[in-house]
Amino acid sequence: EAGVAQSPRYKIIEKRQSVAFWCNPISGHATLYWYQQILGQGPKLLIQFQNNGVVDDSQLPKDRFSAERLKGVDSTLKIQPAKLEDSAVYLCASSLEPSHIQYFGAGTRLSVL
Amino acid sequence: GENVEQHPSTLSVQEGDSAVIKCTYSDSASNYFPWYKQELGKRPQLIIDIRSNVGEKKDQRIAVTLNKTAKHFSLHITETQPEDSAVYFCAALSSEVEYGNKLVFGAGTILRVKS
Repeated sequence: EAGVAQSPRYKIIEKRQSVAFWCNPISGHATLYWYQQILGQGPKLLIQFQNNGVVDDSQLPKDRFSAERLKGVDSTLKIQPAKLEDSAVYLCASSLEPSHIQYFGAGTRLSVL
Repeated sequence: GENVEQHPSTLSVQEGDSAVIKCTYSDSASNYFPWYKQELGKRPQLIIDIRSNVGEKKDQRIAVTLNKTAKHFSLHITETQPEDSAVYFCAALSSEVEYGNKLVFGAGTILRVKS
C-alpha cells in the first residue's frame, strides 16, 4: 500500500515569509496528524484531524499556524509569518482511527533564515 | 497531560551486544506504547508496540516490556547489528477526555552500534 506522501521535502525561507506544506495520508485513514520535530527532540503534535474535523489543536500556535483538511483526505499546514524558531521537520502521519498505529510521511525540512 | 521521559539520550554498544532503552510515563490511563526507529533524514517507522493488557512482546531480536504499576516500559534489542544504529523514540497514547487520544513522544535515544 502507498505510504503517507508529503511535499515539498525541503524549504528554505526568510523570517516573516509564509510557507505551506501538503500531506496526502494513506487511503482510508480517517485520522491525520501534523507534528513538529525540532532537531534532537521527539515529534510534538501540532494538530489532529478526524476526517475533516479538528480533534486537538491545543499545541498549534494559532497566531501564525493554520491547517485544514477540507475534504477529509489531504491536508495543508501553513505558517504565516515564519519565525526563526519554526525551523524544524514537519511530519504528517495518518492512522485508521486515533488508537491505531500511526504511519509517518518523510517530512518537510523547513529552514527559516 | 501526559509526559514521557526517555533514557539514555545516547547509547553506544559493541556489535553483538544487547541494548536497552527505558521510558517512563505519567498518565496512568495511557494504554498503548509504540516504539519508532528513525534513521538520519528518514521518517519514523514503527518497530514494535505493546498495549496495556500485555506485559511483554517479542519480535525476533526486539522485545518490549511494560510495567503498568511503575508506569515504565523498555525496549530491548539483542545481538545488535550496525544497521540498528538510529534514533529510537518511545511514545505513550494518552486518553484526554477533552482532546481524545494523543501520542506523546519521548526525546529519543541515539543508538550507535560499533563494529
